[in-house]
Amino acid sequence: GENVEQHPSTLSVQEGDSAVIKCTYSDSASNYFPWYKQELGKRPQLIIDIRSNVGEKKDQRIAVTLNKTAKHFSLHITETQPEDSAVYFCAASIGTGNQFYFGTGTSLTVIP
Amino acid sequence: DAGITQSPRHKVTETGTPVTLRCHQTENHRYMYWYRQDPGHGLRLIHYSYGVKDTDKGEVSDGYSVSRSKTEDFLLTLESATSSQTSVYFCAISPAWDRDADTQYFGPGTRLTVL
Repeated sequence: GENVEQHPSTLSVQEGDSAVIKCTYSDSASNYFPWYKQELGKRPQLIIDIRSNVGEKKDQRIAVTLNKTAKHFSLHITETQPEDSAVYFCAASIGTGNQFYFGTGTSLTVIP
Repeated sequence: DAGITQSPRHKVTETGTPVTLRCHQTENHRYMYWYRQDPGHGLRLIHYSYGVKDTDKGEVSDGYSVSRSKTEDFLLTLESATSSQTSVYFCAISPAWDRDADTQYFGPGTRLTVL
């Protein structure tokens, strides 16, 4: 089955700096890569996703890049704010109705 | 929230007792999933369903069973709860609207403690 690895497990940045979280996957059939943000005690919330026919996607301060050849994808958060502090999870899937394989999460702390 | 609710939201039970968790959705989504979340492991799939009475195992299905007798309800049962099943359980759906059919949205979660 698919194996998704996520790094780093913890990340601290100063407010206003950028944060980058990286994930690798093993199954070349994976074609959908969502990112979730989870605040303490809450459900995971989808923040951005990318499909394998796209190399980069941006939504305001958040961007995701995908390198299919190298089988890795990354989340970029610019101009970080204290409310960005949360645990972020990446995932990979081979498509509709199929299971997600999640990374183990990155705990991001933005220091005011 | 994709119309997902979970019940109960919190439960404490004893080893060896049966436990059933319920996931309820109101928007006719076809695909439903049960995950468990544990520190250091992220989210791991237990079972999933692709329609009424159609279910399949995920990567951590041992000790769990599921049932889906109607579209809106997906039940997760621990036949004889063990301490290793202490976890937070999340239900998820893939939305019925085609544009985002490959993503998943999560319910609020159930915190289960097995003593």
